Amino acid sequence: GAGVSQSPSNKVTEKGKDVELRCDPISGHTALYWYRQSLGQGLEFLIYFQGNSAPDKSGLPSDRFSAERTGGSVSTLTIQRTQQEDSAVYLCASSWGITNTGELFFGEGSRLTVL
Amino acid sequence: RKEVEQDPGPFNVPEGATVAFNCTYSNSASQSFFWYRQDCRKEPKLLMSVYSSGNEDGRFTAQLNRASQYISLLIRDSKLSDSATYLCVVPFNDYKLSFGAGTTVTVRA
Repeated sequence: GAGVSQSPSNKVTEKGKDVELRCDPISGHTALYWYRQSLGQGLEFLIYFQGNSAPDKSGLPSDRFSAERTGGSVSTLTIQRTQQEDSAVYLCASSWGITNTGELFFGEGSRLTVL
Repeated sequence: RKEVEQDPGPFNVPEGATVAFNCTYSNSASQSFFWYRQDCRKEPKLLMSVYSSGNEDGRFTAQLNRASQYISLLIRDSKLSDSATYLCVVPFNDYKLSFGAGTTVTVRA
């Protein structure tokens, strides 16, 4: 399909395990975002990639969280030693990089449950 | 103060009714604003943009009050399909968008 693709769509893990979430953005989009959405909460910015520039990691909640984007395309968000408070929907979005349009294209998200 | 604040609702209205709700923002320098729609357990999607005093798109009207730093969204002639959570979005900087927690609207038959 032509949209943002995320996997897995659902992930249940035990506390203390590591998880990897994958995002495949729309082809040609230079900007890629990770947001987190907890129940009843707004979207929380995590990290932003734009082309070959250094990413804005200012939203990552702790050093257990990391993300990379290989070849300017696919991105992986890694959470090490998961905690119950990490349970949320992790949303990836991409855009042309000109946010004046305000249009981010979101994937359907990866729902993470930490037991 | 949160960057973007919304009345969570829920707003429960009958078909055909008009419903309106507000969003307040803290960044007085913001020049553009957006409403996104999020259906239950789905991803957010852009509904409309607001660049000046307001914008109208069919049954949806967004208005901006810069002096009081709020944006409103009004839905006329509500349809069952309008049931969703509406997210107010304000740019934080050149690339980062701040999302409100959303206002839930339920349209009943």
